[in-house]
Amino acid sequence: DVKVTQSSRYLVKRTGEKVFLECVQDMDHENMFWYRQDPGLGLRLIYFSYDVKMKEKGDIPEGYSVSREKKERFSLILESASTNQTSMYLCAAKGEGMGNQPQHFGDGTRLSIL
Amino acid sequence: AQSVTQPDIHITVSEGASLELRCNYSYGATPYLFWYVQSPGQGLQLLLKYFSGDTLVQGIKGFEAEFKRSQSSFNLRKPSVHWSDAAEYFCAVAPMDSSYKLIFGSGTRLLVRP
Repeated sequence: DVKVTQSSRYLVKRTGEKVFLECVQDMDHENMFWYRQDPGLGLRLIYFSYDVKMKEKGDIPEGYSVSREKKERFSLILESASTNQTSMYLCAAKGEGMGNQPQHFGDGTRLSIL
Repeated sequence: AQSVTQPDIHITVSEGASLELRCNYSYGATPYLFWYVQSPGQGLQLLLKYFSGDTLVQGIKGFEAEFKRSQSSFNLRKPSVHWSDAAEYFCAVAPMDSSYKLIFGSGTRLLVRP
């Protein structure tokens, strides 16, 4: 089974801080994703990466950036955190191929911005 | 626009009763279809998936889902619910022409009465 590990389960930061959320996968998958999850809104895609140093914007990229220097690691960066970025953040990984490959998720990071 | 609708925000069932969670999608062709479960404080776990072939698919934990093309539906069922099934359930679709996109419904929270 694919193992996707997010470095923190809970994180509390202050407005204006630069925040890094880390995600590591152990299955050599090409594709990695960052979502945020808010009540009543389901999961919304922030960014995804289909290869090292390659990235694409998702549906809500504003206020975020990403980094993928190594295949197994995908980082989400909040350049200047704001209170409206308080949310649950989920990382996922997916193997190569079309949409019939499922995405495998980490346990999430619950981020609070004060 | 492509969309996934889970019309029930909350469902409460008694332990041992049967369960059906509804999912409808809007898409021009048959997409790839998934059901995920999220226990409190956890990430998403894949329950089952449908790509083609037999319209009744079996998943983990005793769940099954039936794809009905005429109704654009992919409802999740379980004949006898256990207290440990209390969680949030997400339906998701992946368009056949995309390797990356996964569109989620807003989720259904299942409560199980003793």
